[in-house]
Amino acid sequence: GQQLNQSPQSMFIQEGEDVSMNCTSSSIFNTWLWYKQDPGEGPVLLIALYKAGELTSNGRLTAQFGITRKDSFLNISASIPSDVGIYFCAGLYNNNDMRFGAGTRLTVKP
Amino acid sequence: GAGVSQTPSNKVTEKGKYVELRCDPISGHTALYWYRQSLGQGPEFLIYFQGTGAADDSGLPNDRFFAVRPEGSVSTLKIQRTERGDSAVYLCASSLTGSRDTQYFGPGTRLTVL
Repeated sequence: GQQLNQSPQSMFIQEGEDVSMNCTSSSIFNTWLWYKQDPGEGPVLLIALYKAGELTSNGRLTAQFGITRKDSFLNISASIPSDVGIYFCAGLYNNNDMRFGAGTRLTVKP
Repeated sequence: GAGVSQTPSNKVTEKGKYVELRCDPISGHTALYWYRQSLGQGPEFLIYFQGTGAADDSGLPNDRFFAVRPEGSVSTLKIQRTERGDSAVYLCASSLTGSRDTQYFGPGTRLTVL
């Protein structure tokens, strides 16, 4: 199935910098999810968003569910080396249709 | 362990062969999902089990792919007559209630078809 449009594809940042990535779709979703995947592992859920306009934080991570229900963004503040990995957005509609973005590969230079 | 486990972690096979990939979900989780993740892409849904039955198999790409969960716990993804394009990481996930927002992923099986 068609995946979501996630950008940027990759990011190279200095430790301590803030990071922003986003996801857009032509379809609306009820739920937006953000995952992190480390090499050789499965994705791990970071943040779940359930309502248009919702802004949710998890430590240094903040994510928002777009008002149009067709987009979401994830911010990471004050990045640290262990933030390295691939971040995926996922949109879910009525618990039936779940689509993932292609991922944002984050590299943090100490 | 308490998480989702998948075996083997790596599988190399030749084109045309048959392969089986196994998933052990978290104990007590009634819902089980299979995804395929190609290089540089996000996971793509294949099939969803609720208990022993396949509640949604709309993501299976063709009839070479089949999955079973005979006792409502362990699941096996079966691929017949493998093709080079089947090479990918196959991820399994489980959830307690069937809500996809609460699924836990296993580490995946990396399948390489030569």
